[in-house]
Order: sequence, then C-alpha cells, then structure tokens
Amino acid sequence: DQQVKQNSPSLSVQEGRISILNCDYTNSMFDYFLWYKKYPAEGPTFLISISSIKDKNEDGRFTVFLNKSAKHLSLHIVPSQPGDSAVYFCAVNTGNQFYFGTGTSLTVIP
Amino acid sequence: NAGVMQNPRHLVRRRGQEARLRCSPMKGHSHVYWYRQLPEEGLKFMVYLQKENIIDESGMPKERFSAEFPKEGPSILRIQQVVRGDSAAYFCASSPLTGRASYEQYFGPGTRLTVT
Repeated sequence: DQQVKQNSPSLSVQEGRISILNCDYTNSMFDYFLWYKKYPAEGPTFLISISSIKDKNEDGRFTVFLNKSAKHLSLHIVPSQPGDSAVYFCAVNTGNQFYFGTGTSLTVIP
Repeated sequence: NAGVMQNPRHLVRRRGQEARLRCSPMKGHSHVYWYRQLPEEGLKFMVYLQKENIIDESGMPKERFSAEFPKEGPSILRIQQVVRGDSAAYFCASSPLTGRASYEQYFGPGTRLTVT
C-alpha cells in the first residue's frame, strides 16, 4: 500500500538540460509535499516543498509543480548540473507522519 | 554547528542479538523521527518522539522494536532478537518544531544494520 510512488527508478540528463522527476500519490487528503535529495552514504537533505493551496513553488533552479486533480507532483531542475546527480525522494506530510517514495536516481552527464 | 549524528554508522549483528542505534539531534532540536529504508524501497516512517515522550509510533513493528528519547542523551532505537529482515538503513531526523514546520527535518547519515 505505497502511498507515494516514483515510477522511474532512474533518469539520465545532459548537463544544461531540464531534469523532470515525477511522483504520484494516492490520498487526496495529503496537504504538504516535499522533495529530498540524497547522496550515497548520507542522509536525505530537504530541497523544496509545496502546500496543497499552491500549484507551483520555485527556488532557484528548482521548481515543484502540484497537480491535485491528478494527484501528481513533479520536480523540475533547470539547468541541470553534474552536482545534481543524486537520488531524489518525494514525500508527503500528513500530521506527524511523512510518506516517502522509493526514489529516482538522477545522473547528469557532463 | 554539528548536524544530526548517528552511531554506529555500520552495525553487524547475528540473528537473535540486540541492536542499539543512537541518534543525537541537532542542537536545540527536541523532536526526533526514525525511518527505515529497506533495499530498493523508500524511507518508511517508524516513530516520532519528543523529549521523554513517544508522540506517534504507528510505523513501528509491534514486537521487538522500541524507541526512546530521554531528557538527557541521544534517542535510542532498540531492536531485540534481530532477524535477517531487519537488515536495512535506519535514518534519524530531527526538527526544531512540530506541526507544519516539521517539514524542517534534518537527517543524519544513517546506520546500516546487517544481520547475519
């Protein structure tokens, strides 16, 4: 009963192009959404978040889009840089709990 | 300005032994979350604690697992009589606040538990 799904386990993108990472969730009651970035042998690092009252939040090269009717969340990174190569997790927050997706491994090719 | 610290980073236990995982939150943080990441899976919430209180343990297995966050000292995740299925990476995160601001979770580097 995966509450949050990231259907693409990996993604490769050329440096300078756009990276689009996708995430689907099951419960329309979720109201806060987050993206985390994780390097090997480190813990996840918070990247960007969005509340359900918005459909877009932008922070520098990172933009998160929320489509509530489709229960779909995406993270856009533009332009992509080699240092962006990491595993990206989407997560939803409800009350005390956070539900994480299985992650998408992004490789940015120089 | 140390971040969240977890030790040990790697822990090997034989089946039936006990595993103790420690988490020292960031200075000033009084909220701790524990997560487990099984191979090829995402992080799964286990428990949320404040100092001396378990707030939400709905993600904890009913048996063999326990967690505490004493007034002094680190938070401890304890797994008794470990089995091979307990092999995973265990992450701790701390937060200064609760409620909506709890998205400000700062993760430790994790403890990788291997049960042989």
